Amino acid sequence: NAGVTQTPKFRILKIGQSMTLQCAQDMNHNYMYWYRQDPGMGLKLIYYSVGAGITDKGEVPNGYNVSRSTTEDFPLRLELAAPSQTSVYFCASSLADTQYFGPGTRLTVL
Amino acid sequence: GQQLNQSPQSMFIQEGEDVSMNCTSSSIFNTWLWYKQEPGEGPVLLIALYKAGELTSNGRLTAQFGITRKDSFLNISASIPSDVGIYFCAGRGLNNNDMRFGAGTRLTVKP
Repeated sequence: NAGVTQTPKFRILKIGQSMTLQCAQDMNHNYMYWYRQDPGMGLKLIYYSVGAGITDKGEVPNGYNVSRSTTEDFPLRLELAAPSQTSVYFCASSLADTQYFGPGTRLTVL
Repeated sequence: GQQLNQSPQSMFIQEGEDVSMNCTSSSIFNTWLWYKQEPGEGPVLLIALYKAGELTSNGRLTAQFGITRKDSFLNISASIPSDVGIYFCAGRGLNNNDMRFGAGTRLTVKP
C-alpha cells in the first residue's frame, strides 16, 4: 500500500491564483481530512469527509473547497489564493479514530 | 474550540537521557494520540490511548491517558539521535472530525 499520497510537494502561487491540492489513499478508508499546519502551531482541520459524496467544514474552512467523488480521492481547492494561506497542508485518512497522514504540500502565496 | 496545551515547546537532551512531555486540556477527550513528525514528512502515529488510566508502551515509548481524561503524557527512555523530531499530542472528542492537536514538542538529541 502507498498509504496517503499528496501532490504537489511544493507550490508557489501568486495572490488571486487558484489551485487544487491532490490527495489519494489506497487503504479503503471512509474518513478523509485536510489540515493546515502553521509554524509553531498544531494542525487545524479545514474540511473532512465521512465517505464519498459527503463533506463538511472543519475549524478553518474559509477560502477552501473540497469534493469527494470517490472513496480514494479528496482534493482541496483554493479559489483565490491569499498570503494567509501560506502553510503546509496535510491530508489524512482513517477507518476509525486513528488518522494516517500524507507527506504534506508546502504552499507559499506571494 | 477545545485547546490543547503541550509542554515543553522544545527540549535539548543528551543521548541516553529520558524525556517526558505532556498535554493538558480544559475539556475531556475520548482518545489521546501521540504522533512524531520528521522534517518534510507528515505526522506518524506512535501510540493511541482509548481508556482513562491506560498506560501503553511502544518500544522505548510509554504514554498514559490521564484519569481525568483531560491530560496525557509521553515518555521516551534512553533517547537516541533518531528520536529527533517534533512530537504532537492529539485528543479526539466524540467524532472522528473532532480532533485537536497540541503545538508540538521539538526534541533535539545530542550524541
